[in-house]
Amino acid sequence: AQSVTQPDIHITVSEGASLELRCNYSYGATPYLFWYVQSPGQGLQLLLKYFSGDTLVQGIKGFEAEFKRSQSSFNLRKPSVHWSDAAEYFCAVGVSGGYNKLIFGAGTRLAVHP
Amino acid sequence: NAGVTQTPKFRILKIGQSMTLQCTQDMNHNYMYWYRQDPGMGLKLIYYSVGAGITDKGEVPNGYNVSRSTTEDFPLRLELAAPSQTSVYFCASSQQQGGAGELFFGEGSRLTVL
Repeated sequence: AQSVTQPDIHITVSEGASLELRCNYSYGATPYLFWYVQSPGQGLQLLLKYFSGDTLVQGIKGFEAEFKRSQSSFNLRKPSVHWSDAAEYFCAVGVSGGYNKLIFGAGTRLAVHP
Repeated sequence: NAGVTQTPKFRILKIGQSMTLQCTQDMNHNYMYWYRQDPGMGLKLIYYSVGAGITDKGEVPNGYNVSRSTTEDFPLRLELAAPSQTSVYFCASSQQQGGAGELFFGEGSRLTVL
C-alpha cells in the first residue's frame, strides 16, 4: 500500500539557518510527489511538485526538493529560513490511475527562532 | 477569485446531531475532495467526486455522506455526530486526475462534537 513518512514531527531552526525536511514514500510505480504548506488557521498551499525529469525541483518561497529514487525520498530544503516560514509542512504522493488521490504524511511543524 | 469556499468555519455539535459542511468552488474543477485533519495524522480522504453525480468513498467514509449535484458544490453530511468526528475538515478541488494535479484547498471547518 502507498504511504508517506515524515520522520520529524517538530523542527526548530534559527532565522537565517538552512532547513531540510525529510520525506520517505512507499509506492510501486514512479510517484508523483508534492510538498504542501499550511500556515496557522489556513488551508494547504502547494509549494512544489515532482512528476518526472530533473530530480531537483524548485518551488515557491525559495523552497526546493530533490527526488532520490534509490532512497525513496523527496526532501524539502531551503538555504535560509525566514520567520514567515513557520508553518506545518506536508509531503504527499499522488496515486496515478486513480482519481487524483493524494496520500499525505503526518506533517512536520516548523518553528523559527529569531 | 474566491477559489474554494467552506462554511461554516467553526461549529460545535452535540452527540447525535446532524449537520452539513458546505463547499463550493468557482474554478470549474471536475474533481473535488473532503479530507479530515487530526493532530499528528496528516490528512485522510473521506469522499471524493470526479464530476457532477459521481462520488466515491475514500479512506475514512464511515459516518459521512456526500452529494454532487453541480460542478461547483460538494457538501459533506454528518448524520449522527460522534466525538470521533471532532476534527478539522478540508474541502479541495483539482482539474487533473490520476494523482497528478495540484489540489486547491479551502480554509477548513473546525468541528467539535460534545
